[in-house]
Amino acid sequence: SQQGEEDPQALSIQEGENATMNCSYKTSINNLQWYRQNSGRGLVHLILIRSNEREKHSGRLRVTLDTSKKSSSLLITASRAADTASYFCATGRVGYQKVTFGTGTKLQVIP
Amino acid sequence: DTGVSQDPRHKITKRGQNVTFRCDPISEHNRLYWYRQTLGQGPEFLTYFQNEAQLEKSRLLSDRFSAERPKGSFSTLEIQRTEQGDSAMYLCASSLRPLAGGTHQETQYFGPGTRLLVL
Repeated sequence: SQQGEEDPQALSIQEGENATMNCSYKTSINNLQWYRQNSGRGLVHLILIRSNEREKHSGRLRVTLDTSKKSSSLLITASRAADTASYFCATGRVGYQKVTFGTGTKLQVIP
Repeated sequence: DTGVSQDPRHKITKRGQNVTFRCDPISEHNRLYWYRQTLGQGPEFLTYFQNEAQLEKSRLLSDRFSAERPKGSFSTLEIQRTEQGDSAMYLCASSLRPLAGGTHQETQYFGPGTRLLVL
């Protein structure tokens, strides 16, 4: 079963705008990861944030984590058409090796 | 290319047939994972190996599914007596468990997937 839920399910923006996606989860976690998946392809790891971290940056990506609210957000700044993809959060629980993926946000960036 | 590879990329089979997929992880990675993804959903965990040992299996992995990693390198996932509900993308991922151990999950690197269609 899916541990997390992303919100919104779909997002359409103009190139150059910022895109924000949210992830909510249910149980205590070790870390939370964000992945990107282009249509019909494998997943690409974007960023990992640990439970004791609140914010992390990587290039145009900014991830926040609020463990008290069991939520995370992914911000993509200055979006490009190449950012068009589905974005998934994946949570790693204490005591488990596997990660559990959310349902994904489908992002479309219009040139 | 030193990433995770999967073979075949696409498989069409008739209901009741057996299929086998192969995954070659990144060479130094000691952990290997199988996931299943249906349209519009996130990947769902099936099983994972540390070296050749299968350490965890999901309840999704019915007795028609079997996975092996005999030498701790490549892995195979076999589905016997396929059903139409088995149609999905099967994803493999690998990661490197640090020698020092620890309780944090490592970054998983995914292959391109095998898309299965059962007619």
